Amino acid sequence: GESVGLHLPTLSVQEGDNSIINCAYSNSASDYFIWYKQESGKGPQFIIDIRSNMDKRQGQRVTVLLNKTVKHLSLQIAATQPGDSAVYFCAETISGGYQKVTFGTGTKLQVIP
Amino acid sequence: EAGVAQSPRYKIIEKRQSVAFWCNPISGHATLYWYQQILGQGPKLLIQFQNNGVVDDSQLPKDRFSAERLKGVDSTLKIQPAKLEDSAVYLCASSLDRGDEAFFGQGTRLTVV
Repeated sequence: GESVGLHLPTLSVQEGDNSIINCAYSNSASDYFIWYKQESGKGPQFIIDIRSNMDKRQGQRVTVLLNKTVKHLSLQIAATQPGDSAVYFCAETISGGYQKVTFGTGTKLQVIP
Repeated sequence: EAGVAQSPRYKIIEKRQSVAFWCNPISGHATLYWYQQILGQGPKLLIQFQNNGVVDDSQLPKDRFSAERLKGVDSTLKIQPAKLEDSAVYLCASSLDRGDEAFFGQGTRLTVV
C-alpha cells in the first residue's frame, strides 16, 4: 500500500524502548488536542486526547503531555512494539462552534525488532 | 460496528477529467468530514457537514471541487476538472456530533496524470 510517511521526520526506536513524539501547535486559542496514528494505507485512528485544562493524560501505554506556555505536545509510548510503527499526527482544535480540526505534519515511527 | 466506507479505493485519471468519490459514514453520525491528504503531509479539511448542511468549506477549492450530503447520510465529493496537484488521498470521516471522536475511512487514493 502507499506510504503516508514518505517525506516525514522519522523516529527509529528499538522494540521495548519508550518513544517520545513531539509536536508544536500553532494556535494559542486551541483548547483541545488529539493524537492520531496512521498506518500505511489506512485512515488516521484516534489514540488519545487532552484538553487545555490538563497538562498530562494517560492511556494504555500512552501518555500525552501538554505545555501551553510553549505550545508543545508530546506523545509518549511505553514499551514500543512493532505494531506501533506508523505515522503519528497531533491535531488541534477549538472546542465549541464548528470545531475545525487542524492536523500537524506528522512523525513516522519505525520500531526496530 | 461497521466503519466509514469509501469508494473507490484507488482512481487514476488524466488531468482535466472529472472524478467522484463516495462516502458512507457510520450510522447515526451527524457530522461528516472530507479531508485531502497529500503525500507526506497531514490531512487538510476540505468540507464539514452537520447533517445535510455545510458548516465549513473555507478550504474547498470551489472552482473545481464540490460536495453534497443531500439526505444527511451518504456524501459525494467531486472534482471537475482535475489538476495534477489534486493527486492525494481523500479521506472521509464521521462523528456522532461536533466535538466527538472522528472515525476515518481508508480513503481514496487519486492519481492525476
